[in-house]
Amino acid sequence: AQSVSQHNHHVILSEAASLELGCNYSYGGTVNLFWYVQYPGQHLQLLLKYFSGDPLVKGIKGFEAEFIKSKFSFNLRKPSVQWSDTAEYFCAVNAASGTYKYIFGTGTRLKVLA
Amino acid sequence: DTAVSQTPKYLVTQMGNDKSIKCEQNLGHDTMYWYKQDSKKFLKIMFSYNNKELIINETVPNRFSPKSPDKAHLNLHINSLELGDSAVYFCASTTSDRNTEAFFGQGTRLTVV
Repeated sequence: AQSVSQHNHHVILSEAASLELGCNYSYGGTVNLFWYVQYPGQHLQLLLKYFSGDPLVKGIKGFEAEFIKSKFSFNLRKPSVQWSDTAEYFCAVNAASGTYKYIFGTGTRLKVLA
Repeated sequence: DTAVSQTPKYLVTQMGNDKSIKCEQNLGHDTMYWYKQDSKKFLKIMFSYNNKELIINETVPNRFSPKSPDKAHLNLHINSLELGDSAVYFCASTTSDRNTEAFFGQGTRLTVV
């Protein structure tokens, strides 16, 4: 069965600090990978996605993620966070074939101090 | 125009009542989902429909019954509401060709008192 692990549950950073959020998945086949952001009181919005090709994916708002197939990882990075990045971040995976469902990690709550 | 819209946004009701949440998408997608987000922000898939056909039914109490009258709509009816049903319910849609991501609605915050 597919599963997604996000190891950092709560992260607190000062503005301008660099960010890296870990995401590991468990699945034996080909997957599509996503990072979503949920600002307080809002719905999930896509930050970036990986389907195939260049494993370094650039998303919105200066975020990027790197797919490392050998490590089953898809870590999210941002070189310099802003106060407005305070939000919940979710990694998600779905299989490229078979039952089509998005499995989400438990989320990482990021708080950026001004 | 809102791509995935849910109604109502907030729902407060008493235990034992029956309530429905509606979802509509105008993206031309053929696959829709219901997710439940608990107080710890954990997102758990409940149901998925593809072209009006139920394809995913996770371990959800029988009190929850989804209905998809057409590809653009997926409703969720809940019977005999319990305190533990309090959560935010998100509808999402995507395409079954797996070439796009899931788009989420604004969520319905259900509070059972």
